[in-house]
Amino acid sequence: NAGVTQTPKFQVLKTGQSMTLQCAQDMNHNSMYWYRQDPGMGLRLIYYSASEGTTDKGEVPNGYNVSRLNKREFSLRLESAAPSQTSVYFCASSEDEVAGGPSADTQYFGPGTRLTVL
Amino acid sequence: GIQVEQSPPDLILQEGANSTLRCNFSDSVNNLQWFHQNPWGQLINLFYIPSGTKQNGRLSATTVATERYSLLYISSSQTTDSGVYFCAVARGNNRLAFGKGNQVVVIP
Repeated sequence: NAGVTQTPKFQVLKTGQSMTLQCAQDMNHNSMYWYRQDPGMGLRLIYYSASEGTTDKGEVPNGYNVSRLNKREFSLRLESAAPSQTSVYFCASSEDEVAGGPSADTQYFGPGTRLTVL
Repeated sequence: GIQVEQSPPDLILQEGANSTLRCNFSDSVNNLQWFHQNPWGQLINLFYIPSGTKQNGRLSATTVATERYSLLYISSSQTTDSGVYFCAVARGNNRLAFGKGNQVVVIP
């Protein structure tokens, strides 16, 4: 049981390049999330998916797109990378946003992807 | 959105000491979680505690929802407790708003 996995671990891009960050979970969770972490800013929600086939914007969605490919996988795409997108990106999952309660709402995080845009 | 403030921002502890971290939030919430980010960057969920008190080993947490704050207690600190502690809250959904964290360094 690997939990939440993310690829790649590190990536360097040039301004204007595109890339996709991959995330997968094997806990049969319904909800998945993408966050970015910048120094001194804590974590901020980019996009989330409450269930397979649905996605919604979080606090900082500009410059990103997401795809909930199936229940296990949730990808984050940067179409034209900018230096302001240099950050550490975390994927997370939780069992069920609708039901609520401790077991349902607890979020589990992947190891992160460190992205640098030059 | 809900504002989350954590204090103190930085804390240096001697191994074996006790400490209290505080999280204030600006609105009523029905979801509050504490996380620990270790020095390698991994985020681990410590507590789901929108109200009441919980304990897990040397760590315990208390949330007073009516007064909009939560406390995380670390007792008999160890060097492995070093890292950043985040408080995150949500109201009506699971879209967490995070504080900026408490950076804790435990010195042997």
